[in-house]
Amino acid sequence: QQQVKQSPQSLIVQKGGISIINCAYENTAFDYFPWYQQFPGKGPALLIAIRPDVSEKKEGRFTISFNKSAKQFSLHIMDSQPGDSATYFCAAQTGANNLFFGTGTRLTVIP
Amino acid sequence: DTAVSQTPKYLVTQMGNDKSIKCEQNLGHDTMYWYKQDSKKFLKIMFSYNNKELIINETVPNRFSPKSPDKAHLNLHINSLELGDSAVYFCASSFQFPGVGWERNTEAFFGQGTRLTVV
Repeated sequence: QQQVKQSPQSLIVQKGGISIINCAYENTAFDYFPWYQQFPGKGPALLIAIRPDVSEKKEGRFTISFNKSAKQFSLHIMDSQPGDSATYFCAAQTGANNLFFGTGTRLTVIP
Repeated sequence: DTAVSQTPKYLVTQMGNDKSIKCEQNLGHDTMYWYKQDSKKFLKIMFSYNNKELIINETVPNRFSPKSPDKAHLNLHINSLELGDSAVYFCASSFQFPGVGWERNTEAFFGQGTRLTVV
């Protein structure tokens, strides 16, 4: 059973454009929602994270939007750059520290 | 300094063999994990250890046995390897803070991965 649903599976964006990745969850016990970025041959690394008591968090060009009532959250990458090309994973975590990942989105930013 | 290191980076072995993957973290974390990433990039948790004790054991064949000699190490031993075990295995670590109301940094740090190929 997939705890966190993620879409799209792949995304191609022109340089300077906005990349948007969406995630949805069912378990209301989740209380922490990180996004991880993974480059080929590397392990995932934390990009940005949000807690359900806020609706938006912004760090540089990366923004998480969180809709608690809809149980959805999304990552927006503004002014996308070729260096942003990677696989992005949303995740959700319970107090027991069990981190459930979405299925991943392969982002390609075309110069 | 490498925060989470796992060895080997690549492992090619024949079906039926037994192999181990080692993981060490120097971050002072009290919780360590093993994740499996399949060919479709899906990351699935296999085990979670907190202070050397197993706290999560997802549906994983009992051919997989984690061993945590201390809270800085979590090794993964796999018996009787099968073709379907081919994947990239990631070790990770984090802090586990107690209870509601505590500010916590739950960032999980991942190792570089071990690409296991069973032939």
